[in-house]
Amino acid sequence: EAGVAQSPRYKIIEKRQSVAFWCNPISGHATLYWYQQILGQGPKLLIQFQNNGVVDDSQLPKDRFSAERLKGVDSTLKIQPAKLEDSAVYLCASSLELDYTGLNTDTQYFGPGTRLTVL
Amino acid sequence: RKEVEQDPGPFNVPEGATVAFNCTYSNSASQSFFWYRQDCRKEPKLLMSVYSSGNEDGRFTAQLNRASQYISLLIRDSKLSDSATYLCVVNKWQGGKLIFGQGTELSVKP
Repeated sequence: EAGVAQSPRYKIIEKRQSVAFWCNPISGHATLYWYQQILGQGPKLLIQFQNNGVVDDSQLPKDRFSAERLKGVDSTLKIQPAKLEDSAVYLCASSLELDYTGLNTDTQYFGPGTRLTVL
Repeated sequence: RKEVEQDPGPFNVPEGATVAFNCTYSNSASQSFFWYRQDCRKEPKLLMSVYSSGNEDGRFTAQLNRASQYISLLIRDSKLSDSATYLCVVNKWQGGKLIFGQGTELSVKP
């Protein structure tokens, strides 16, 4: 079974530039997550989709970050404009679906991540 | 206060040692608990779920104390391949959001 795919694996940009990351979840997984992991910290959820709807985007800096999952399969995360503090690994994860209570009792599978460096 | 706090690392232990990691969480309504493992420059992977009754998987034992809001992971007979960062993870009851601790790095030496 293919895992979560992400591209690019590495990206170096200058501050104020724009960047986009792509994620293709495991086939059949309805729930997709984007996390930001800053060096030395655990992953922090940015946005969670259930199919093509947003479940939680409370920690997404909406003035510069946007994400979409138009057809309920793959997803794109964009940063515009980038700041130095956006340097991090951006991880995409997927799981089967939330249960009826809204709990995610299914394992989240992570992609390899995109390592972003903002100069 | 952080929602999930772990022992600050790194832990440097010899092969064969027993090592324990501790984690506390602040939201008493949290429902599900996990330990994830993250190798250097790799993605996190689920190590094991944590249940109130405690659970064991080979050399790994996880415990949950809901009253104290405390989670632990015990690794017996450490192997070189156990070297990684161990992430304590809590599932908030609303919306399935996972909250990760900052991780505790383990280095097992020959």
